[in-house]
Amino acid sequence: SQTIHQWPATLVQPVGSPLSLECTVEGTSNPNLYWYRQAAGRGLQLLFYSVGIGQISSEVPQNLSASRPQDRQFILSSKKLLLSDSGFYLCAWSRAGSPLHFGNGTRLTVT
Amino acid sequence: GNSVTQMEGPVTLSEEAFLTINCTYTATGYPSLFWYVQYPGEGLQLLLKATKADDKGSNKGFEATYRKETTSFHLEKGSVQVSDSAVYFCALSSQGGSEKLVFGKGMKLTVNP
Repeated sequence: SQTIHQWPATLVQPVGSPLSLECTVEGTSNPNLYWYRQAAGRGLQLLFYSVGIGQISSEVPQNLSASRPQDRQFILSSKKLLLSDSGFYLCAWSRAGSPLHFGNGTRLTVT
Repeated sequence: GNSVTQMEGPVTLSEEAFLTINCTYTATGYPSLFWYVQYPGEGLQLLLKATKADDKGSNKGFEATYRKETTSFHLEKGSVQVSDSAVYFCALSSQGGSEKLVFGKGMKLTVNP
């Protein structure tokens, strides 16, 4: 069966520090991968999605970037965090015609 | 562009009460519609879906019917349980599957015994 792992579960970082959140999927190949952010009162916002290694599409301009160095690995990064980057970050995967499967999320607090 | 509007809550109900969470959408073409649920401390899980007009999705006692004429996909359950306490998200996909979903803001439901 397929599983998705996302870490860390919680993270507190100072403004201006770098960020690296990692997501890996097991039990499937060539998945579509997604990063969503859930901010208080704003629902879920799609940040990035990827249909293959090295292929990243950004949905909104922001202080974040994403990379897909391996087929089942998706990384969310920032060089310098802003206060507004605080939120709950969710990684997800899907295959054609299948529903989205979410990880358990990372709670990021920028202080 | 595509958008989803849903009741935001929070809502508190007693066990065995009737639940309705309204969801309306704006989209071009014929989107697929979804309800996701997020239990405390967890990621989102697909609750049910409908891919064309008049389809009814159902799961765990929850139901929602795709109403094209009113552009709605309201979630209902006849008798809620404490274990239904969660955040519920309505979502749509204009690409036929669940790729690049557009979500509503979510509604927090608390069910008291």
